[in-house]
Order: sequence, then structure tokens, then C-alpha cells
Amino acid sequence: SQQGEEDPQALSIQEGENATMNCSYKTSINNLQWYRQNSGRGLVHLILIRSNEREKHSGRLRVTLDTSKKSSSLLITASRAADTASYFCATDAGGTSYGKLTFGQGTILTVHP
Amino acid sequence: GAVVSQHPSRVICKSGTSVKIECRSLDFQATTMFWYRQFPKQSLMLMATSNEGSKATYEQGVEKDKFLINHASLTLSTLTVTSAHPEDSSFYICSAKGNEQFFGPGTRLTVL
Repeated sequence: SQQGEEDPQALSIQEGENATMNCSYKTSINNLQWYRQNSGRGLVHLILIRSNEREKHSGRLRVTLDTSKKSSSLLITASRAADTASYFCATDAGGTSYGKLTFGQGTILTVHP
Repeated sequence: GAVVSQHPSRVICKSGTSVKIECRSLDFQATTMFWYRQFPKQSLMLMATSNEGSKATYEQGVEKDKFLINHASLTLSTLTVTSAHPEDSSFYICSAKGNEQFFGPGTRLTVL
């Protein structure tokens, strides 16, 4: 079942600004992942954060995870027009369901040049 | 890095026909493959989990007789949409899991 909810549903910013997207989920997780999808294309894996981690960085990306609140955030710093895409969080419950991902509804990010 | 391919990338078919979509892991063995469906402007929904050499496990609400999944080898899983209808038009994405998991580029199915 689809459990992830993301907000905002859409975000429009200017180049150079930071973009923050939030994701909430309902059940226990082994890890949470963020993906990017350009219009009509496949998924690009951005970052994975495990349930015992609180923060992770990768280039201009910063992900936080609060398992007590069952929420995560993705921060893109110094955004570029090329960052325009849909961003999805996906949770992996682990165990016998390891690898089976439940996706959030996604945030459509538009970065204006 | 590891690559997962899907074929075809795009297919248009007439209502009532069957369409087969292939998902291949190109440089690793995938013990498990997952099939997702994505309707326009929506998120990905898991359809089924495919394990090599065994029957697929379908998510609730997914008709197994309509979406036939075969995982004949550690590098290939196929999804066959049988008797396709316009409402089956969607973007179908597979992922393959070995030590890590990778997504394919997706297949856009349009049923006329």
C-alpha cells in the first residue's frame, strides 16, 4: 500500500535558492531512499539513509531522518535549472520485504533560471 | 556501474492484444526483481515481486492472470500484460536486486 506522503506537492524556486522537500511514512523502516525522475523518464537514485542514521550528505544534497516522527527531508542547496524534476521518497521495510519499496506521492520541483 | 535495461522502451498496441516487457540486469545477477506501475503525474505503485525460479508475489488489487510475470533466469524477468485495455496504459518500471537494487529506464505502454 502507498504510505508515503510528501510535501509540498509542488515547489517553484529561483536558481541559487535552496529547496526542501519533506516525506512522512507510517510503518517501521530499514532504510529510506530519495529518487529523482525527469518527466517521462526512469528513476535516478539520489541517496539512501538507514534507520539508524539521522543525517546524510551527498554533494548538494542533505537528507535527514527522524524515525520517532517517521519523517525525512531532502534539502537541495544552491539549486540549478537542471534540478527541475519530480522527487520521490521511498521506504524499505526490510526483513522479508527487503528491496520492496513504498513510494511517496512526490514533489514536483521547478527551478527557474 | 550496474545497469538494468527494459525492452521495449515504448509500445503502442491495440485493445485486446498482449504485450511483453522485458527487464534485464546486464552485469549482475538479480535474485529478485520488482515491477512497478506509474500513472501520469502519480507515484510508483508496486505490482509484484518476482523471484528467480518461483512464482511471483502480487500486491493486493493486482490481477495475476492479467499481469503475467516470469523470472526465468537470474538476469531476466518478463511482464506480460494480457488482453490489454486502455486503462492499462501506464509507465511500467522494473527494478533488479542483487547486492544492491537498480531501476530500469521504464516502458511506456499505450493501449488504443
